[in-house]
Amino acid sequence: GAGVSQSPSNKVTEKGKDVELRCDPISGHTALYWYRQSLGQGLEFLIYFQGNSAPDKSGLPSDRFSAERTGGSVSTLTIQRTQQEDSAVYLCASSWELAGSYEQYFGPGTRLTVT
Amino acid sequence: GNSVTQMEGPVTLSEEAFLTINCTYTATGYPSLFWYVQYPGEGLQLLLKATKADDKGSNKGFEATYRKETTSFHLEKGSVQVSDSAVYFCALSGVDSNYQLIWGAGTKLIIKP
Repeated sequence: GAGVSQSPSNKVTEKGKDVELRCDPISGHTALYWYRQSLGQGLEFLIYFQGNSAPDKSGLPSDRFSAERTGGSVSTLTIQRTQQEDSAVYLCASSWELAGSYEQYFGPGTRLTVT
Repeated sequence: GNSVTQMEGPVTLSEEAFLTINCTYTATGYPSLFWYVQYPGEGLQLLLKATKADDKGSNKGFEATYRKETTSFHLEKGSVQVSDSAVYFCALSGVDSNYQLIWGAGTKLIIKP
């Protein structure tokens, strides 16, 4: 079946502009994650959605970052007033969260460059 | 806190050499352990996993054993190929209520023909 898809694959934006990144998880997966992969800093957790529960936003680096998940499926990560330090690859992952497994499937990522 | 430590790269080997990439972890509770691989220009892929102590995960000739006594999950392969060149990430999950993956820094593997 189809895997996790993300769009756009690349985004170049000017400092101060807002951007929206989209994630389509695997159909039926209840959990959705956003991570950020920065050069020299590895991967960091941003936000987690599980079903209809309130999202876990504990990893968001500032209030310029927000995310929503509509209908328990598609998710959008929004970065307002982008800064150069926001440049990174933004990864989305989804999972069933079967007990004892927690296996996550990743999309190809969106490479964001803030100029 | 919960963390994962991997050996620093890059690791450069000749084809058919034996590979070990060390991974140790610190975690409360009983995490699941994973190795993910990122081939050049591609997204992260799950390579193998283990969900409890003494489990061995294996895939594509790679294997790793969940060692609770040494809190380790070292990745091994008996004979590497040029196509194994990639970045390898060790990760754990299941120790936070949100089941987020906690990542090592990644180890770049370069295989020379």
